[in-house]
Amino acid sequence: KAGVTQTPRYLIKTRGQQVTLSCSPISGHRSVSWYQQTPGQGLQFLFEYFSETQRNKGNFPGRFSGRQFSNSRSEMNVSTLELGDSALYLCASSLVGGANTEAFFGQGTRLTVV
Amino acid sequence: AQRVTQPEKLLSVFKGAPVELKCNYSYSGSPELFWYVQYSRQRLQLLLRHISRESIKGFTADLNKGETSFHLKKPFAQEEDSAMYYCALNPPGGYQKVTFGTGTKLQVIP
Repeated sequence: KAGVTQTPRYLIKTRGQQVTLSCSPISGHRSVSWYQQTPGQGLQFLFEYFSETQRNKGNFPGRFSGRQFSNSRSEMNVSTLELGDSALYLCASSLVGGANTEAFFGQGTRLTVV
Repeated sequence: AQRVTQPEKLLSVFKGAPVELKCNYSYSGSPELFWYVQYSRQRLQLLLRHISRESIKGFTADLNKGETSFHLKKPFAQEEDSAMYYCALNPPGGYQKVTFGTGTKLQVIP
């Protein structure tokens, strides 16, 4: 079966702009989580969506938001971009998102803010 | 607050030597613990999870609640084991809020 697909793979944006990243989970998976990966901070949890509802949120400012559609596809939005938002954004899907379930990761979207 | 610490950024071992990747966690309770691996130019993937108590690719991980550790071990390293390894913690319950360690790069020298 197809894996988790993230689009676009690469993005370059200017400070102050906003950006939307997309994640298509594995078919049948209802939980989608987002992570930010940077060399300094490593992988940090952004939020998790399940059945179109945000179920959990990490410690990121309100400029970071997301949503999930009825087909479980998810989007992440970052408004008023800052240089520090440059990172690899990873999406992961799991069947139901339980604590001990395996998360399947996408290849990521590399965002560069200039 | 939950925290995962991987003290080594890089671990170099010779092929055939034992491997131990260290992971310590901080969580007031009984979390779910995982090891994820990322091979060169591949996506992050699950290696093993505590609840399964399994051995994958020769790797095992033992949970030591007293020391709050979940070290990853393999008796004989292979070149194909070279990768980034991440220890991860998820609080108990029906949701995902995974905290990852900063990762250890394992380099197996032929």
